Formats: sequence, structure tokens, C-alpha cells
Amino acid sequence: EIVLTQSPGTLSLSPGERATLSCRASQSVGSPFLAWYQQKPVQAPRLLIYGASSRATGIPDRFSGSGSGTNFTLTISRLEPEDFAVYYCQQYGRSPLTFGPGTKVEIK
Amino acid sequence: EVQLVQSGPEVKKPGESLKISCQGSGYRFSSFWIGWVRQMPGKGLEWMGSIYPGDSDTRYSPSFQGQVTISVDKSMNTAFLQWSSLKASDTAMYYCARGSYDFWSGYSFWGQGTRVTVSS
Repeated sequence: EIVLTQSPGTLSLSPGERATLSCRASQSVGSPFLAWYQQKPVQAPRLLIYGASSRATGIPDRFSGSGSGTNFTLTISRLEPEDFAVYYCQQYGRSPLTFGPGTKVEIK
Repeated sequence: EVQLVQSGPEVKKPGESLKISCQGSGYRFSSFWIGWVRQMPGKGLEWMGSIYPGDSDTRYSPSFQGQVTISVDKSMNTAFLQWSSLKASDTAMYYCARGSYDFWSGYSFWGQGTRVTVSS
């Protein structure tokens, strides 16, 4: 099973700042089959990024993904008030599919 | 518009059985994988398993194999997640999500979630 580790656990930032979230895999994620999701309280997750760097439909360009192998990054260039949420990475290159534990982006 | 509509909240006792549903609309239901994801209170996301409605190919996470059953009724455009004997530790929010025609994909559409509470 591929174990995903996300850091930091919590990121305290102000609107307008840049957020950099990390996701590390215990083994190489092929292709790369790596996605990022945003989840707000009492809402279902929303797909932001797939294939490590492709934005999903309707996702603003302030969200970007990068990385390959075992190291991946989600960057939010300038935080908007609606971006404060929990972010999960997911690998879908090997079964079982696995999620990271999440990074909470909170208002400083 | 693609939509996944899940059945309503459930309150059950330990040992009882349960079957929750996820109805898809706005797309060719039989051609896209449907996955089930668990979120325990205050915790992260866990992939439970997925089913391809076209041929009922089903894949489970080892953590959930034998604990739940995933099924589908193509005629109703509906996928199901069921338990034969619930435990208190099954208390969670359960999401269905749509993948692609390929098993190896992320989930671009999600249901609203079904909250399951198991308590004596």
C-alpha cells in the first residue's frame, strides 16, 4: 500500500498570501496518478488537480500542482477567503487507492 | 449536469444490516467507475472500494474487504454499499464519487454524503 504523508498538518496564513502544501508518497506514484481535493466543513470533497498538475474543470488558476515520483506540491498563489479548508492528496496509481491525512489551511 | 444523489441519514443499532444508495444522473452511468469513501468523525478520507456498473467489476481496499459489499443496479443507475452486521465503529459519513471509464482515476464528482450512526 502506498502511504501518503502531508505537511504541514496545519498552515496558518492570511488572505492574499501564498500557500505551499506538500504530499510525499512511500513509493513512486506512477504516471503520475496524483490528485488534490479541497474539503470545506460539512461539504463533500471537490477535485482540484489530477495527474499531479492538471486543473479540474472550473478550478481557478491560482491553484497549481506539481511534482513526480514521490514528491508533490499544491500551491495556492494568493489565498482567497473561500480557500480556507482542508486539502487532501490521493494516489490512484496502485490499489488500494489511498489518501493523505490532510492539511488544514486556516486564517491567521 | 452530472449528479450523484445519495440516500438519507441512517441511525442503526449494532448488529443490524444496512444498505445505502447512490443514484447517478446526467451521464452514461454504466461507463464510469463509482467509488465509496469513508470519513469517520473529525478524520480524513478512506477509499473503501469501487465498482464499474458496466460489468459489475468490483475492487475493494483490503481494509474493507469482507466488511462491506458494493453492488450496482444498472437499470436504476444506482450503486449500493451494504453491511450485514453494523458495528459502532461504522459510524461515519459515506461518500460515493464518480471516477472515469478507467479504474485508475481520481474522483471528479461526489455525492452529498450519507451519515450513518450506529449506537445502542
